[in-house]
Amino acid sequence: NAGVTQTPKFQVLKTGQSMTLQCAQDMNHNSMYWYRQDPGMGLRLIYYSASEGTTDKGEVPNGYNVSRLNKREFSLRLESAAPSQTSVYFCASNRQVGWTQETQYFGPGTRLLVL
Amino acid sequence: AQTVTQSQPEMSVQEAETVTLSCTYDTSESDYYLFWYKQPPSRQMILVIRQEAYKQQNATENRFSVNFQKAAKSFSLKISDSQLGDAAMYFCAYRSGDRSQGNLIFGKGTKLSVKP
Repeated sequence: NAGVTQTPKFQVLKTGQSMTLQCAQDMNHNSMYWYRQDPGMGLRLIYYSASEGTTDKGEVPNGYNVSRLNKREFSLRLESAAPSQTSVYFCASNRQVGWTQETQYFGPGTRLLVL
Repeated sequence: AQTVTQSQPEMSVQEAETVTLSCTYDTSESDYYLFWYKQPPSRQMILVIRQEAYKQQNATENRFSVNFQKAAKSFSLKISDSQLGDAAMYFCAYRSGDRSQGNLIFGKGTKLSVKP
């Protein structure tokens, strides 16, 4: 049981380049999330997907797009990377059972450096 | 909008001693959940403890316990018998009880150092 996996672990981009961060979970969770973590800050929500086929903006969505490919996979795309997007990106997932959202589990993170 | 505040950017504790990390939050909701996550240098986010707002009893997990004061909107973490492996960033987080709002809202974190 791998839990939540993310690829790549580390990436360097030049300003204007594009890339996709991949996330997959094998826990049959219906909700998935993308957060970013900047120095001295907690995690902030970029986008989330409450279920397969739905996505919604979080606190800091500008410059990003997402795709919920299927129940397992939720990708984050930077179309034209900017230095302000240098950060550590975390994917997370949890299961919703009735009215209860269960504990959220996190991937290991992707460290992105935009030059 | 809900907010989470951790007023202690850094804390230090002697090995085997007890330390308390503070967290306050602001919300108008009555149904919500509170969490403490640990982030060691590996950056992995590890759930330490969880508290449901409707439960009056404070949650405990081995050496970790919370002091949940709902009226004061306070949620502190107590680590007993501190170990070197407890050194990490600790984040307090809030989640709404609204089933459509599953995301976590984090504080800025407290860096805990453990002295041998």
